[in-house]
Amino acid sequence: EVQLLESGGGLVQPGGSLRLSCAASGFTFRNYAMIWVRQAPVKGLEWVSTILEGGRDTYYADSVKGRFTISRDNSKNFLYLDMNSLRAEDTAVYHCATYQQRLPFDYWGQGTLVTVSS
Amino acid sequence: EIVLTQSPATLSLSPGERATLSCRASQSVNDYLAWYQQKPGQAPRLLIYNASNRATGIPARFSGSGSGTDFTLTISSLEPEDFAVYYCQQRGQWPLTFGGGTKVEIK
Repeated sequence: EVQLLESGGGLVQPGGSLRLSCAASGFTFRNYAMIWVRQAPVKGLEWVSTILEGGRDTYYADSVKGRFTISRDNSKNFLYLDMNSLRAEDTAVYHCATYQQRLPFDYWGQGTLVTVSS
Repeated sequence: EIVLTQSPATLSLSPGERATLSCRASQSVNDYLAWYQQKPGQAPRLLIYNASNRATGIPARFSGSGSGTDFTLTISSLEPEDFAVYYCQQRGQWPLTFGGGTKVEIK
């Protein structure tokens, strides 16, 4: 069974930092691109970042570029999102998910809540 | 950035009725279009990929159509569990983008 479990969310002050983790199991992690998607309270879905299978190719939404860094450890089956210079508008539930452009291998974690507030 | 516009924002229907949801892209995405269903407190679930292909385990009452800039998700006969929010997502180019969602609510 495919499982994705996020952790690391919490309350942080504006300007602060946080590292989110996503533990993957039930599939060959190193063979799949991964994404982070966030959802602000009572808002829609917003793609945040993607990392391809090998870890060298990464993509970011303009809203987080230069502040967030996506990475992965294929030996440990973990995905990460390092978030710096956090702003109130970064408050959201952050989901990790598998990604395939043309195929339906599509699994999501339940998400971890990040709240940026003083 | 490709902007996806979903309409209507809210659809009020009764069980057994047909639901037609629209997603329009600001430029062509060919058929790189997916549809998701999301219920409160849950992660999104993939329904349709490549504009018209049902994902594994998705009932046949869900169908997708379209290409280029205009796409439709149709639920042929609404079941009680289908009342939820639906999002389209384009996978044609970076950044990936989602539509604003259509809420299908019980009339």
